[in-house]
Amino acid sequence: AQSVSQHNHHVILSEAASLELGCNYSYGGTVNLFWYVQYPGQHLQLLLKYFSGDPLVKGIKGFEAEFIKSKFSFNLRKPSVQWSDTAEYFCAVMTNTGNQFYFGTGTSLTVIP
Amino acid sequence: EAQVTQNPRYLITVTGKKLTVTCSQNMNHEYMSWYRQDPGLGLRQIYYSMNVEVTDKGDVPEGYKVSRKEKRNFPLILESPSPNQTSLYFCASSSLSGGTHNEQFFGPGTRLTVL
Repeated sequence: AQSVSQHNHHVILSEAASLELGCNYSYGGTVNLFWYVQYPGQHLQLLLKYFSGDPLVKGIKGFEAEFIKSKFSFNLRKPSVQWSDTAEYFCAVMTNTGNQFYFGTGTSLTVIP
Repeated sequence: EAQVTQNPRYLITVTGKKLTVTCSQNMNHEYMSWYRQDPGLGLRQIYYSMNVEVTDKGDVPEGYKVSRKEKRNFPLILESPSPNQTSLYFCASSSLSGGTHNEQFFGPGTRLTVL
């Protein structure tokens, strides 16, 4: 089975700080990559996705992610976080050989006003 | 409004009592899937379906059944629930275009407690 690793389990930042959340996956072939956000008490919402093309993708709410194929990574970034970004963030991978989605264990982000 | 709905949202039951969690989407999506979310483990895929009458196992299918008799519905069945199935369950759907998956839309979740 494929695996998705999110190394940061809990991150606490002050407002206006920069954010980078790591995501690494284990599959060597072509992948589709996603970042989802789950606000407290809510369901998952898509932040951004990468299928092909420009490895730097921009999503909603000022988030962006960079796909680095050689490092099997898809890190999420935001230059300046807000209190409203407090949520859990999940990286997800789908390989081109199957139809299963693989999610990381999630990173809990707390932004202090 | 495009959405994925799940029912019930909360359920407390006892070991061995069969239950069904319904999932319905109104977006004509081909792909539907069930996940369970547990602390420290993230989301794990239970079953998925590529289209009507086509289902397949995900990473954690033991103790669960699904069916896809209609395109819009994808119920999750626990024939004999056990306490280790206490979890938060999410249904999701996505469209397929040219064999490529688009983003998944998630339902609001069903919190299940098995005593």
